[in-house]
This record gives sequence, structure tokens and C-alpha cells, in this order.
Amino acid sequence: DTAVSQTPKYLVTQMGNDKSIKCEQNLGHDTMYWYKQDSKKFLKIMFSYNNKELIINETVPNRFSPKSPDKAHLNLHINSLELGDSAVYFCASSQGGYITEAFFGQGTRLTVV
Amino acid sequence: GENVEQHPSTLSVQEGDSAVIKCTYSDSASNYFPWYKQELGKRPQLIIDIRSNVGEKKDQRIAVTLNKTAKHFSLHITETQPEDSAVYFCAASIKAAGNKLTFGGGTRVLVKP
Repeated sequence: DTAVSQTPKYLVTQMGNDKSIKCEQNLGHDTMYWYKQDSKKFLKIMFSYNNKELIINETVPNRFSPKSPDKAHLNLHINSLELGDSAVYFCASSQGGYITEAFFGQGTRLTVV
Repeated sequence: GENVEQHPSTLSVQEGDSAVIKCTYSDSASNYFPWYKQELGKRPQLIIDIRSNVGEKKDQRIAVTLNKTAKHFSLHITETQPEDSAVYFCAASIKAAGNKLTFGGGTRVLVKP
């Protein structure tokens, strides 16, 4: 039983395309996140949703749009992909309220060619 | 916003020796400090965490210390084993900021048999 699952695991696409990454968690958490890990392994938060409400929106290009249809799902849509978008994107979830552990999905390796 | 610095960026130790990784943070409001281990091609996984009301925490071979006054915290791994080889990330989180995790740059630990 995977706690936080992302699809797809690998995504290779051409510049200019639009793509989506999906994330689902079965932990009953009310907060979900998208993190980006670049080629130097640096992990940086992009977005966070709490009970379907956007609560964190870091300095990310408008081409990135998260959507949370319910608190168990958080998707990431990327328009007009650029070479610099190549990275590993991790979804994570945690229980809100008192700070608790963030559980990460297995990651989606996006390669833009 | 919060800034987390992590040192060293790489650490090579002989099996059985100890490894120490140090992190500093900038925002005195940070109150949760997790440590994640990321093996090659895998997701980050929590190995230990500490909250701001605690100065030290130990779990078998790993321990974390926190100095709130100096705004730094450290990870100690004793009796290192080859399976401890991985990238380790420290992070700091502020509940009021949506539990956003700000990560350090990571430490690549290599345990030589």
C-alpha cells in the first residue's frame, strides 16, 4: 500500500509541450505539497494545499499550475515546457495542525528535450 | 524567508566511524527540524526529527541536537555502516508558514568498507 503515489515516474517530452503529473495520498492527511529537486539535488518547495486551499505559492513561473480536486489529490500541470524545467518533482503530504512528518512520493523525473 | 545552510556537502568516513552533519537556520520562529535520508533514485525519507522544545533526541545509532540560541542543529551517526551511504538533508519548518519545509543543500555521505 503506497502512502503517497505519483504518476508518471518518468516523463520525457519536447519543449513547448504541456504535461501533467498526478499525486494521490491515502494517509488521510490534509496538507499536500509539490517540491522540485534540481540536478544538484537541491529540494525546494513550489506549492502547498491544505484541504484543497492553496496556502503556499513560492516564486514559480505561471506556467506551473497546481490543482487539488480533493484533499487526497494534488496535480501539477505545466504549460509550454522549457529545458530548465527538467528536474525531479516530488509530491508530499503531512497532517496539518501540529507539525508532523512529511511523506514523499517516489518522484517524477521530467526531462525536457 | 527561512534559509537553511548545511555542511559539509560531502563526507567520506570509514565504516565504524562517526559522521556529523551541521545545519544552521535563519528564522528564529522555526520550530520543527527533520532530517531526511535520500538513497540514489529514491524518495527522501524521514530518519529523525526534533522540535524546538527539545535539545537532543536519539534513535539507536542516530542522534540530533538543537541549539535554539545559536540557531543550529546537527545530525550524528555512530558506528557507520555501508548502508548509511546516501544524501542527507536537514530542514526547518514553521507551523505558521503552512508547515513549509525549507531544506539545506544536502550532504552526500559515503561510508567506505
